[in-house]
Amino acid sequence: AQSVTQPDIHITVSEGASLELRCNYSYGATPYLFWYVQSPGQGLQLLLKYFSGDTLVQGIKGFEAEFKRSQSSFNLRKPSVHWSDAAEYFCAVRGGTYKYIFGTGTRLKVLA
Amino acid sequence: DAGVIQSPRHEVTEMGQEVTLRCKPISGHDYLFWYRQTMMRGLELLIYFNNNVPIDDSGMPEDRFSAKMPNASFSTLKIQPSEPRDSAVYFCASSPANSPLHFGNGTRLTVT
Repeated sequence: AQSVTQPDIHITVSEGASLELRCNYSYGATPYLFWYVQSPGQGLQLLLKYFSGDTLVQGIKGFEAEFKRSQSSFNLRKPSVHWSDAAEYFCAVRGGTYKYIFGTGTRLKVLA
Repeated sequence: DAGVIQSPRHEVTEMGQEVTLRCKPISGHDYLFWYRQTMMRGLELLIYFNNNVPIDDSGMPEDRFSAKMPNASFSTLKIQPSEPRDSAVYFCASSPANSPLHFGNGTRLTVT
């Protein structure tokens, strides 16, 4: 069965600093991978996706993620964080079925 | 495109009452998903449909929960009878085949 682990529950960074959010997945074949962001009281918004091809994928709001098969990871990065990036971030995996499994989320706090 | 529409946004009910949550997916999306979000358990997949047919309901907690999709533009999630532990935010999401999920803004359910 597929699963997702986000080891960091909370992360605090200063505005302008770089960011990396970790995501590890478990799935027997090449998965479809996603990062979503959730602001308070809102639904989840897609940041980026990996289906196949180039392992470095670009998303909205200046985010990128890199798929590393050898490490079963799909970490999210941003070179310079803005105060508006404070939110909760979810990594998700989808296998051969259409079942999307989400990690427990990482809550990002940005210090001015 | 109005996005995925969920109603109501907030629902407060007493234990033992029937609760019905509603979802209108994005037109043309073949897949519809119901998720439950709590602090303790994160985002849990309850059930998903393909072309109005339930495909996987293994996440439905117990017989008190039921979901239907009578047509391509409407789905309901019903809890009868409701219990305080059902308090959560319930999300509906839809997607075309081989595309990411689009989430609604959720229904916050409080059972007293």
